[in-house]
Amino acid sequence: GAGVSQTPSNKVTEKGKYVELRCDPISGHTALYWYRQSLGQGPEFLIYFQGTGAADDSGLPNDRFFAVRPEGSVSTLKIQRTERGDSAVYLCASSPDRGLETQYFGPGTRLLVL
Amino acid sequence: KQEVTQIPAALSVPEGENLVLNCSFTDSAIYNLQWFRQDPGKGLTSLLLIQSSQREQTSGRLNASLDKSSGRSTLYIAASQPGDSATYLCAVEGQNFVFGPGTRLSVLP
Repeated sequence: GAGVSQTPSNKVTEKGKYVELRCDPISGHTALYWYRQSLGQGPEFLIYFQGTGAADDSGLPNDRFFAVRPEGSVSTLKIQRTERGDSAVYLCASSPDRGLETQYFGPGTRLLVL
Repeated sequence: KQEVTQIPAALSVPEGENLVLNCSFTDSAIYNLQWFRQDPGKGLTSLLLIQSSQREQTSGRLNASLDKSSGRSTLYIAASQPGDSATYLCAVEGQNFVFGPGTRLSVLP
């Protein structure tokens, strides 16, 4: 596609449930990033993929969060046993390669945990 | 741990004014610094990327400078327009990306 797409655009779930958030990067981009943005704050880095592998997952807050990119393009962020504090906008970005490259951001998925 | 701050948190100016947004970071060991724009409910759009070896970058009415040794960057917007109203974020790339909290800009017609 022309840009980074994310689905769903909005997700409402109940505390304790499992959710999956999907990111489709720009075709050919090998680097993919997940961020979390709370209201009034800048994006917070979660995880970075280079190809299929997670090159840096140091931003994942705890083991309830997990992300995969099995074929090196689409990525899924998975959150187990959701908590109200997980409510935020989850942003995905891709770039041609890690390094001095501009990241292209998707519109985000707004997650609300009730 | 890298920390990024931005001043002011919010700014409201009349159309036509020139303005400066400030970004500070604590660890000067960075690869690059980027300025982004974020419109309400939307993702981020990259405005300018300054590599660590560069001092400034320009695009149209925007000019960004970088002083790595002092841990500062400024974004200068010339002749502001209502369409410039958005949140402006700076981000530094070291081991990973660290964003500032943003400056919310309103340009009044």
